[in-house]
Amino acid sequence: DTAVSQTPKYLVTQMGNDKSIKCEQNLGHDTMYWYKQDSKKFLKIMFSYNNKELIINETVPNRFSPKSPDKAHLNLHINSLELGDSAVYFCASSQGVRVGETQYFGPGTRLLVL
Amino acid sequence: AQSVTQLDSQVPVFEEAPVELRCNYSSSVSVYLFWYVQYPNQGLQLLLKYLSGSTLVKGINGFEAEFNKSQTSFHLRKPSVHISDTAEYFCAVSSGSARQLTFGSGTQLTVLP
Repeated sequence: DTAVSQTPKYLVTQMGNDKSIKCEQNLGHDTMYWYKQDSKKFLKIMFSYNNKELIINETVPNRFSPKSPDKAHLNLHINSLELGDSAVYFCASSQGVRVGETQYFGPGTRLLVL
Repeated sequence: AQSVTQLDSQVPVFEEAPVELRCNYSSSVSVYLFWYVQYPNQGLQLLLKYLSGSTLVKGINGFEAEFNKSQTSFHLRKPSVHISDTAEYFCAVSSGSARQLTFGSGTQLTVLP
């Protein structure tokens, strides 16, 4: 009964391919996030959804498109993968959008683009 | 704008010794501060957070942190570390109307036998 789960855990693919990462939370939270962690462990927010509505959209190439079919799911689709997209992608969720909310993280998806 | 600086990228320490991981923040408004831990090949887990009230915050696994407004710091401490504390530790800030967390660059704590 993992709180925030991601699939797949590992993803190895060629440049130019399109891939998706899925995230699900069973905490009943309203808000979900995608973060990118680079090779130097630096963690940066990419997107956030609250009740299926996009509320945070940082400077991310438009090859990245999040989709939230319902409050419990937030998927990330990446078109035309590039070498620089290699990273660990973390999904997270929080009860709401109030400042100071605790975020709960998934185990990460390790993406390697060859 | 909010930012976080973790001054030490790596901290090696012997088992049962005390440790302090440093974190300084920058924000023009009131802040909420967090420490997260990332064990190898895992996601981040909340250790503790400061929202308001007492400046000394106690978290899980024997960790504590002190909010110091005048020095804009939120250093993490543990009086006696274990091998199992070996992990990456991230300080994060959320302030004003910002809905997102801004993370520091992380500190790798390595506990040596």
